[in-house]
Amino acid sequence: DTGVSQNPRHKITKRGQNVTFRCDPISEHNRLYWYRQTLGQGPEFLTYFQNEAQLEKSRLLSDRFSAERPKGSFSTLEIQRTEQGDSAMYLCASSLLGVGSLRNYGYTFGSGTRLTVV
Amino acid sequence: QQQVKQSPQSLIVQKGGISIINCAYENTAFDYFPWYQQFPGKGPALLIAIRPDVSEKKEGRFTISFNKSAKQFSLHIMDSQPGDSATYFCAAPQGAQKLVFGQGTRLTINP
Repeated sequence: DTGVSQNPRHKITKRGQNVTFRCDPISEHNRLYWYRQTLGQGPEFLTYFQNEAQLEKSRLLSDRFSAERPKGSFSTLEIQRTEQGDSAMYLCASSLLGVGSLRNYGYTFGSGTRLTVV
Repeated sequence: QQQVKQSPQSLIVQKGGISIINCAYENTAFDYFPWYQQFPGKGPALLIAIRPDVSEKKEGRFTISFNKSAKQFSLHIMDSQPGDSATYFCAAPQGAQKLVFGQGTRLTINP
């Protein structure tokens, strides 16, 4: 297992276009998270999945954003009608279920997808 | 709603010195406080974490000190090295499911 994989690494798109990002989590991790990080800021929570169920969405996730995790494996994050304010690093993380042990509760992040909307 | 305040925003330390980054949180029902390290172009990586049944945790040159009554915790990097130059984030739980991150501290270690 090579960790959390995100594709593409970089995406430049014109305003108004739709974009889709993919995240492949660590295979035994059943929790998957999407975060957004803008320059000079910490990651901000967008949404998370437990298996295939999307259990929480942030207010940051407007109607233009949608995330899926079919079959509880990889996940996709789609942004429709992109705006310049969507430019950011989109980070995916995964973790094992449970808060019992320190190892199970830690997030493993991918390297992110950097989106630039021009 | 959990809020996490981190300071300083940036820090310059000479090689061999001690780097100290502080973090304050509001409320949490779950006791788990991690620090993440992020290099340019990479995602954050878990550096060290503490569950506050102890007030301090040490792993190599990295130590977390925790003050539950003050709702504060800090990261100490002993014998700081140029390879430690990175951005560091603290985080605190919001509920049982997600972490809320601080704004980050950009650490530069001068050789």
